Amino acid sequence: NAGVTQTPKFQVLKTGQSMTLQCAQDMNHEYMSWYRQDPGMGLRLIHYSVGAGITDQGEVPNGYNVSRSTTEDFPLRLLSAAPSQTSVYFCASKNQNYGYTFGSGTRLTVV
Amino acid sequence: DAKTTQPTSMDCAEGRAANLPCNHSTISGNEYVYWYRQIHSQGPQYIIHGLKNNETNEMASLIITEDRKSSTLILPHATLRDTAVYYCIVRGSGGSNYKLTFGKGTLLTVNP
Repeated sequence: NAGVTQTPKFQVLKTGQSMTLQCAQDMNHEYMSWYRQDPGMGLRLIHYSVGAGITDQGEVPNGYNVSRSTTEDFPLRLLSAAPSQTSVYFCASKNQNYGYTFGSGTRLTVV
Repeated sequence: DAKTTQPTSMDCAEGRAANLPCNHSTISGNEYVYWYRQIHSQGPQYIIHGLKNNETNEMASLIITEDRKSSTLILPHATLRDTAVYYCIVRGSGGSNYKLTFGKGTLLTVNP
């Protein structure tokens, strides 16, 4: 199993640009989540999904959209990038009775 | 969610046991205690979780007090690679357990 795969690993955007952060898992996990981590802070939940076709907002959803058309994929879309969205983004997946498996992160800089 | 309290930082000598405490005095009966760690610049890694019994796996042991108001994560023989931020998280079972709330955790530094 590859686990949770995030692409790209690094990205620089200009203010106002849009992009999609990709996340894929090959473990047939039901639950998937997106977190962001800012320097010196813990992880904050952006959006999550409990299964294909079902998504919901987390703690800091503004400026981000998600969809879950398949069990495997959970892309995060930045609609109009802002410098405040400069962060490290982590995708994670889990089954009901176990802990989350996290990806290696996407480091995003918005200039 | 029950709030957790962890020390900001701890040191441990290589080869010795690292004991990381966590207080969760408002934990309710159906809430689990989860431990994750994050090595610098990497994604968090699941370590272990438990409800009320002590748990052990290949990575660590989790000791939960009888009143469940606190717990200790034990790394039996710490190595330099165990230097990381360790997060104690309390989550409910069933439909709410997929939303993790990360605090600032404990920075464990393992010294040679």
